[in-house]
Amino acid sequence: DGGITQSPKYLFRKEGQNVTLSCEQNLNHDAMYWYRQDPGQGLRLIYYSQIVNDFQKGDIAEGYSVSREKKESFPLTVTSAQKNPTAFYLCASSSAVYSNQPQHFGDGTRLSIL
Amino acid sequence: AQKVTQAQTEISVVEKEDVTLDCVYETRDTTYYLFWYKQPPSGELVFLIRRNSFDEQNEISGRYSWNFQKSTSSFNFTITASQVVDSAVYFCALSEEGYGNKLVFGAGTILRVKS
Repeated sequence: DGGITQSPKYLFRKEGQNVTLSCEQNLNHDAMYWYRQDPGQGLRLIYYSQIVNDFQKGDIAEGYSVSREKKESFPLTVTSAQKNPTAFYLCASSSAVYSNQPQHFGDGTRLSIL
Repeated sequence: AQKVTQAQTEISVVEKEDVTLDCVYETRDTTYYLFWYKQPPSGELVFLIRRNSFDEQNEISGRYSWNFQKSTSSFNFTITASQVVDSAVYFCALSEEGYGNKLVFGAGTILRVKS
């Protein structure tokens, strides 16, 4: 089935450690996105990518990094510079770069501090 | 700047009641798109509807209906004869025309439907 796969479902980070969240899609979508969800705050955009080898910062990019080496993959690294990483992270994709296409979401990764 | 406000943090209803979830948005663009998503306990967001700013027709899909009013900058969502399976967090979102397709989300409304 076509869709977006995020892994792992749960992740724990130690102080000073970088961790990477995986996001893979087989929908042949050009655009991919990473959101952070905190209780009561909705979703906030971290990074997005419209084409391979290109990505832009969203509203809360500090402490995060991404890469887009393949169309189907958009991993997110939470670096040690992100002082409050505990959150639910959602990856999404859409078929075109313009605003009229709905985004499709994965099941999310829940990140916690050890 | 774009902003989406969902003033209802949590709503509880009994099965078969009708319920309306409010969404108010702010944007300076004349071309924009509004979305509703459902987030069940499993976590993924499920796309429900997309509306563009030039189409103010109300839409009905089964028990779901949407009322878009540009005059009040609102895009409200009504569930008729609610069911326990409707229990979820519902998000309203806005994107403006142009490159990027970036969504701005409201804080979400938790809907609890009791049997």
